[in-house]
Amino acid sequence: EIVLTQSPGTLSLSPGERVTLSCRASQSVSSRYLAWYQQKPGQAPRLLIYAASSRATGIPDRFSGSGSGTDFTLTISRLEPEDFAVYYCLQSGSSPLYTFGQGTKLEIK
Amino acid sequence: EVQLLESGGDLVQPGGSLRLSCAASGFTFSSYAMRWVRQAPGKGLEWVSSISGDTEGTHYADSVKGRFTISRDNSKNTLYLQMNSLRAEDTAVYYCARRTPDYYYMDVWGKGTTVTVSS
Repeated sequence: EIVLTQSPGTLSLSPGERVTLSCRASQSVSSRYLAWYQQKPGQAPRLLIYAASSRATGIPDRFSGSGSGTDFTLTISRLEPEDFAVYYCLQSGSSPLYTFGQGTKLEIK
Repeated sequence: EVQLLESGGDLVQPGGSLRLSCAASGFTFSSYAMRWVRQAPGKGLEWVSSISGDTEGTHYADSVKGRFTISRDNSKNTLYLQMNSLRAEDTAVYYCARRTPDYYYMDVWGKGTTVTVSS
């Protein structure tokens, strides 16, 4: 089973700042099968990035993804107030079984 | 508009049973594999179960294997999750989600339905 470890657990930042979130896999994951989600309180997860670096429909270009092998990152270039949420990575290469990272909470400083 | 709408969540006693439903609309339901994902209060996302579009393939997380059964009725555009022998640790919001045919991630999610297991 592939384990995804996200870091840090919580980040306190201000609007306008740049942030990079990390997702590390316990074994190599094809970039095709790495996705990122955003979740706000009381809402379902929202797909941001798929195939490690492709933005989903309607996602602003301040969100970008990169990485390969065991190390993947999600970058938000300039934080907007609506970006403060929890972010999860997902590996889907072992579909129909899946693994989520434990999440990174982005909070307003 | 592509939409998934879960229902059936409730308060149930330990050892009890519940059936969740997920009504799909806005896409050709039978062409897509579907998943159930849950989230315990204050916790992260946990994959629960998968089913193929033609219903021939089903898979379960170890935490629910032997207790939960996923199924679908393509004539009704509906996904189900039959949950038996419920435990306190099954308390969560349950989401149904659509799997993309190419990269296998989940692209469309329902709003979720809440299951509480408590005496």
